[in-house]
Amino acid sequence: GENVEQHPSTLSVQEGDSAVIKCTYSDSASNYFPWYKQELGKRPQLIIDIRSNVGEKKDQRIAVTLNKTAKHFSLHITETQPEDSAVYFCAASMRSGGYQKVTFGTGTKLQVIP
Amino acid sequence: DSGVTQTPKHLITATGQRVTLRCSPRSGDLSVYWYQQSLDQGLQFLIQYYNGEERAKGNILERFSAQQFPDLHSELNLSSLELGDSALYFCASSALAGYNEQFFGPGTRLTVL
Repeated sequence: GENVEQHPSTLSVQEGDSAVIKCTYSDSASNYFPWYKQELGKRPQLIIDIRSNVGEKKDQRIAVTLNKTAKHFSLHITETQPEDSAVYFCAASMRSGGYQKVTFGTGTKLQVIP
Repeated sequence: DSGVTQTPKHLITATGQRVTLRCSPRSGDLSVYWYQQSLDQGLQFLIQYYNGEERAKGNILERFSAQQFPDLHSELNLSSLELGDSALYFCASSALAGYNEQFFGPGTRLTVL
């Protein structure tokens, strides 16, 4: 089955700096890669996603890049703010028999220091 | 609000007991997923249902079971509870077509004493 590895497990940055979180996946059939943000005690929420036919996607301070050949994708947060502090999960998803199969990474705890 | 509802919000019970967690997916979503999140841990996938049928199983213990009903709501049954089962249990749903985003419910926090 699919295996998703996520690094680093923890990340501390100064406010205003950039943060990068990297994930690798194993199954080339995966074609959808969402990123979720989970604030303390709350539900995970989608912040950005990318499909396999796109190499990069940007939404304000957040961007995701995908390298299908190397089977890795990354989340980039620029001009970090204290409210960016949370746990971020990457995921790899594929269609299988009419339903979606999703595998999550282990999470990265991001701390933005004011 | 994601449109996914979970009840109860909190549950406190004793070891050896059995509990049932309930999830109602977003209107129109056919897939329901259950996840377990222990303190400071990631999302451990338990089981997935699609339109009433079990489709994928993760690291779900034999003491745990789930089902999805004709109205598409789902229940996760946890039996012979142990201290280590204390965790936040999330349900998520997704649509068949279009974007494959999973929408998470608010979670049920289970405490086993």
